[in-house]
Amino acid sequence: EPEVTQTPSHQVTQMGQEVILRCVPISNHLYFYWYRQILGQKVEFLVSFYNNEISEKSEIFDDQFSVERPDGSNFTLKIRSTKLEDSAMYFCASTYQTGGVDEQFFGPGTRLTVL
Amino acid sequence: AQSVAQPEDQVNVAEGNPLTVKCTYSVSGNPYLFWYVQYPNRGLQFLLKYITGDNLVKGSYGFEAEFNKSQTSFHLKKPSALVSDSALYFCAVRVPNTGGFKTIFGAGTRLFVKA
Repeated sequence: EPEVTQTPSHQVTQMGQEVILRCVPISNHLYFYWYRQILGQKVEFLVSFYNNEISEKSEIFDDQFSVERPDGSNFTLKIRSTKLEDSAMYFCASTYQTGGVDEQFFGPGTRLTVL
Repeated sequence: AQSVAQPEDQVNVAEGNPLTVKCTYSVSGNPYLFWYVQYPNRGLQFLLKYITGDNLVKGSYGFEAEFNKSQTSFHLKKPSALVSDSALYFCAVRVPNTGGFKTIFGAGTRLFVKA
């Protein structure tokens, strides 16, 4: 069964450093997403991406964040200058979206720890 | 505003007893409702969804959920709980955004099943 993969599973970084979280969505999917879950809290929408551009972003997704689909398979989230409060689990998701409401397939997550 | 509420932070149930995890929603238009489960240090796993049709939806691992339009609820149920069902459960609603849909999650309910 196809699945969304994410690397690394755990990333530790120093405050102020840049990190890139990587995702490989399911190959025929068209819509890509990043969500964030601060430890013990709910999962929050960050950004959606379609047709090589951001389709929507939340208020959390400020100028320190960016997303990119550099080739036909990867989907990345870059955090330019990490802050302590960026420590969270980051989930990538993708969906095909046939015109109905398809489920989103979530990756296993990357745990980001900012020291 | 579109939102999902899970009124219980935690649900405790004895193994073999029925379980219910509550969810209510507030959306404009048709609700597209989902349940996800998260095991410790794991990603989000899809359990079931309601898009249209029968109000009682059956999903993975013996779980089911009942859509109640008048009460705007989508409670998750299982007739006989297992210790292995202990996990964090998220109710979610898919709402349209530019070019597709995004997912709004409830705060989550931690289920403890005691042997």
